[in-house]
Amino acid sequence: DADVTQTPRNRITKTGKRIMLECSQTKGHDRMYWYRQDPGLGLRLIYYSFDVKDINKGEISDGYSVSRQAQAKFSLSLESAIPNQTALYFCATSDAAGGDTDTQYFGPGTRLTVL
Amino acid sequence: AQTVTQSQPEMSVQEAETVTLSCTYDTSESDYYLFWYKQPPSRQMILVIRQEAYKQQNATENRFSVNFQKAAKSFSLKISDSQLGDAAMYFCAYTQGGSEKLVFGKGTKLTVNP
Repeated sequence: DADVTQTPRNRITKTGKRIMLECSQTKGHDRMYWYRQDPGLGLRLIYYSFDVKDINKGEISDGYSVSRQAQAKFSLSLESAIPNQTALYFCATSDAAGGDTDTQYFGPGTRLTVL
Repeated sequence: AQTVTQSQPEMSVQEAETVTLSCTYDTSESDYYLFWYKQPPSRQMILVIRQEAYKQQNATENRFSVNFQKAAKSFSLKISDSQLGDAAMYFCAYTQGGSEKLVFGKGTKLTVNP
């Protein structure tokens, strides 16, 4: 089984709809991240969480919100989706301690299309 | 601000041959980590190799190795005995020690010809 899972894997929605992307991990990591990937722009950080009570904005948080329901779960919401939020979304995790701190492990991605 | 530059948008290699992908970065920090990630058509972002800046020894993982030149701020990836399954986008990435921010280059698309 995959260590970092994302649901759904693909989603098509309409402008103005609320949508939630979910991420779960079995790696036991404290830190979780949400990124979006756009062609030619690479990956950009939306939000990150270093533990359940810690939520921080990344470089492109406008239009997004997150919830850290448990150590293993981190959800990304688009309150009112717009077409320029069409992108590939990745969840990632990293360990706060241990031999490979600072190494982020990615989920399989969610392809979101906003019409 | 830290930046990561991959100057080769596309590369190609013959199966079983060796290819080197280039990456340079800019930082004034001394404690940092560098990574290569692979993104095949399945779009999964897969960690290939990791290098700690304080280690002089170049990291290796099976057929993948790096040439880490700290003074030159260069971090190239060498793929030996290339296989068809190596075809993918390769991203170089940097993070400062203790930081949440993973800075990515724009990627190099690698094609492996049979």
